[in-house]
Amino acid sequence: QVHLVQSGAEVKEPGASVKISCKASGYTLTNYAMHWVRQAPGQRLEWMGWINAVDGSTFSSQRFQGRVTISRDTSANTVYMELRSLRSEDTAVFYCARSRGYSAYEFDYWGQGTLVTVSS
Amino acid sequence: QSVLTQPPSVSGAPGQRVTISCTGSSSNIGADYDVHWYQQLPGTAPKLLIYGNSNRPSGVPDRFSGSKSGTSASLAITGLQAEDEADYYCQAYDSSLSAYVFGTGTKVTV
Repeated sequence: QVHLVQSGAEVKEPGASVKISCKASGYTLTNYAMHWVRQAPGQRLEWMGWINAVDGSTFSSQRFQGRVTISRDTSANTVYMELRSLRSEDTAVFYCARSRGYSAYEFDYWGQGTLVTVSS
Repeated sequence: QSVLTQPPSVSGAPGQRVTISCTGSSSNIGADYDVHWYQQLPGTAPKLLIYGNSNRPSGVPDRFSGSKSGTSASLAITGLQAEDEADYYCQAYDSSLSAYVFGTGTKVTV
């Protein structure tokens, strides 16, 4: 059975960085892509970027370019998302989500979400 | 940022049928990219409801159905049940942004 388990809630000050992990089980990490999605309180879902777990190539939304790094550790079956220069509007729940590939494919499994609170 | 537009809310009595529209543009739905739908119950992660415009994953009741035409898509829920109260989001790929875009979200009240 497929499971995506994310790391726990974080509280960060403005300007700091946060790194969230997403551990996959029940399937081989390198057979699927992984995406990250942000959801601010009461707001819609917002796609941040993805990683091709086969070769580690990544692509991020223009909105987050320069601030986000997505990486993976195939030996640990884990994908990471680091967001830098945090600001108050980054207070949100961040989700990892799996897909079979890029552009056409649905996100068939989601992590439980990680709440990041940015506050001084 | 280009988004997919949904009505903020729809409501219906138990047993009724409701539909949720998702309006896009020529760079996403109109460019023949598949539309997917997600259900998000309060306080939980989104769950895949419909993929590839009209396909249901295993375990999703056939009360849920999807369709697509031109630059729009729709999700229909028939035989509305109390457990269907949730937020629903459409999703597609956008070629002008080289990014996935989600709909603005629709709250269904039973």
